[in-house]
Amino acid sequence: DTGVSQDPRHKITKRGQNVTFRCDPISEHNRLYWYRQTLGQGPEFLTYFQNEAQLEKSRLLSDRFSAERPKGSFSTLEIQRTEQGDSAMYLCASSLSIGTTYNEQFFGPGTRLTVL
Amino acid sequence: TQLLEQSPQFLSIQEGENLTVYCNSSSVFSSLQWYRQEPGEGPVLLVTVVTGGEVKKLKRLTFQFGDARKDSSLHITAAQTGDTGLYLCAGEGYNQGGKLIFGQGTELSVKP
Repeated sequence: DTGVSQDPRHKITKRGQNVTFRCDPISEHNRLYWYRQTLGQGPEFLTYFQNEAQLEKSRLLSDRFSAERPKGSFSTLEIQRTEQGDSAMYLCASSLSIGTTYNEQFFGPGTRLTVL
Repeated sequence: TQLLEQSPQFLSIQEGENLTVYCNSSSVFSSLQWYRQEPGEGPVLLVTVVTGGEVKKLKRLTFQFGDARKDSSLHITAAQTGDTGLYLCAGEGYNQGGKLIFGQGTELSVKP
């Protein structure tokens, strides 16, 4: 399977703990996006990378959140001192940006985070 | 702030019926993508529309991008129970790094 993969699929943690999620994009894709989706809503943009550079962060991404894409391949999203409001589905998507006016994003299966 | 209003939010129909989902905005988008999402899974890309007035067909699904690139619709003909799921529209703005603005989604239930 050469699609976007995410690990873990599910994570249950206690409030105050740190969690880290991993995303492996489609191999030739240079852009990688993180979104968050709460129940009954569409995904909301968090941040994105072009290769290893983080080019934009949403205001939704508080200073407890950090994302990296160290070698321009996989990415990690870390949440420190988790709060119950962080409970959501965290989605990763990747795309190939080659100078066209649009780029199709392909999503992974997501990581469901539950903060108790 | 760019927003996409998607309607209806919920739709319950009988197998064989037709339906249309609408996606509207006051903003202009460079492209608009439609996704379908199953519970507990990530969105799966159905189609991307790029040109104003463009119509794309995917079997029984017809997608249209408005002339002004501010709205889009998804029409399903003769719905089947396998069409049940959450349908999401997502717009890409100009010079926004490709980030997508999603509608709230339409939860479709097709009953046998």
